[in-house]
Amino acid sequence: EIVMTQSPATVSVSPGERATLSCRASQSVSSNLAWYQQKPGQAPRLLIYGASTRATGIPARFGGSGSGTEFTLTISSLQSEDFAVYFCQQYNKWPPYTFGQGTKLEIK
Amino acid sequence: EVQLLESGGGLVQPGGSLRLSCAASGFRFSSYAMSWVRQAPGKGLEWVSVINNIGGITYYADSVKGRFTISSDNSKNTLYLQMNSLRAEDTAVYYCAKDYSSGYYYLDSWGQGALVTVSS
Repeated sequence: EIVMTQSPATVSVSPGERATLSCRASQSVSSNLAWYQQKPGQAPRLLIYGASTRATGIPARFGGSGSGTEFTLTISSLQSEDFAVYFCQQYNKWPPYTFGQGTKLEIK
Repeated sequence: EVQLLESGGGLVQPGGSLRLSCAASGFRFSSYAMSWVRQAPGKGLEWVSVINNIGGITYYADSVKGRFTISSDNSKNTLYLQMNSLRAEDTAVYYCAKDYSSGYYYLDSWGQGALVTVSS
C-alpha cells in the first residue's frame, strides 16, 4: 500500500498571501495524484488531478506541481473561502486508493 | 449536473447491519466506477470500496473486506453498501463518489454523506 504523507498538519496564512502545502508518496505515483478541498460540514471537492490540472470551475489561484513522490499545492493570494482542509490522493497503484491525512489551512 | 444523494445512515449496535444507498443523477451511471469513502469524526478520508459499473468488478479496503459488500443497480442509477458485523471503528460519515471514468482514478463528484454510528 502506498502511504501518502502531508505536511504540515496545520498552516496559518494571512488572506492575500500564498500558501504552499506538501504531499509525499512512499513510492512513485508518477503524476497520478489528486487534491481535494473540504470545508467544515461539507463533502470533499476535487481541485486538481494529474498532479497539475485544475478541475472544472476551480480558480486559477490553485496550482499543483510535482511528480514521482513529491507534490505541492499552491494557493496564491488566499481568499476567505480557501480556508479549509486539503487532502491529496494517489491513484497510481490500487487498491486501495490512499489519501494523505490532510493539511488544515487556517487564517493567521 | 451530477448529483449523488446518500441515504440509510443511522445508529446501529455493534455486530449489526446497515445498508447505505446512493441515488445518482446527471450522468450515465452505468459508464462509471463508483466508490464509497468514509471519514471518522475529526479524521481524514479512508477509501472503503469501489465498483466498476461496466463489468461489476469490486475492490475493498482490508478493514472492511468480508464484512461490507458494494453493489449497484444500473436500472435504478443507485449504488449500495451493505455493511454487516459493524464495529465501533466503522463509525463515520460515508460518502459515495463518482470516478472520473470507468476505471479507477480520481473522484470528481461526491455526495453530501451519510452518518453511520455504531454504538450500544
